[in-house]
Amino acid sequence: AQRVTQPEKLLSVFKGAPVELKCNYSYSGSPELFWYVQYSRQRLQLLLRHISRESIKGFTADLNKGETSFHLKKPFAQEEDSAMYYCALSTAAGNKLTFGGGTRVLVKP
Amino acid sequence: DAGITQSPRHKVTETGTPVTLRCHQTENHRYMYWYRQDPGHGLRLIHYSYGVKDTDKGEVSDGYSVSRSKTEDFLLTLESATSSQTSVYFCAISGKTGNTGELFFGEGSRLTVL
Repeated sequence: AQRVTQPEKLLSVFKGAPVELKCNYSYSGSPELFWYVQYSRQRLQLLLRHISRESIKGFTADLNKGETSFHLKKPFAQEEDSAMYYCALSTAAGNKLTFGGGTRVLVKP
Repeated sequence: DAGITQSPRHKVTETGTPVTLRCHQTENHRYMYWYRQDPGHGLRLIHYSYGVKDTDKGEVSDGYSVSRSKTEDFLLTLESATSSQTSVYFCAISGKTGNTGELFFGEGSRLTVL
């Protein structure tokens, strides 16, 4: 069975500092990886997916199949980045997402 | 926001009582999901549906049942609520087949079982 691990429950950084959220997965096939974000009082929403290889709100994530990781990075954190972030994995076996435990990011002024 | 609504948004109930949460979508999406969100566990899939009357279990399905008699509605039922089912429940929808595309989430239903 697939599994997604986010080792940090809380990341606290100052505005303008780099931020990296770690995500590791276990799955023997070809996964599709996502980052979802939940801002305060808003719905959970897709931030980015590895297959599109795009940068959203300054965030990027690279799928490293050798290390089975999909870390999320932003070089200069902003206060509006404070939110809950979830890494998620989808497999070809079904139309389901498996989520990690989440990382809360707090960007201090 | 995608046309997806959950009801009730908040509910307090007592142990042993039945509870039904409703998810309603206006997007005509094929796939619907129920997740629960708990600190440290993230979101865990309870049940999902890939069409009318087609449902399957997720990783934490014990104590829950679902029904989908119409494309737009996906009901989650706790036959006899327990305190361990205190959680925030999220419904999600998706229209893509094969590998999951983007999921659209509802606003969540906060359930407290006393």
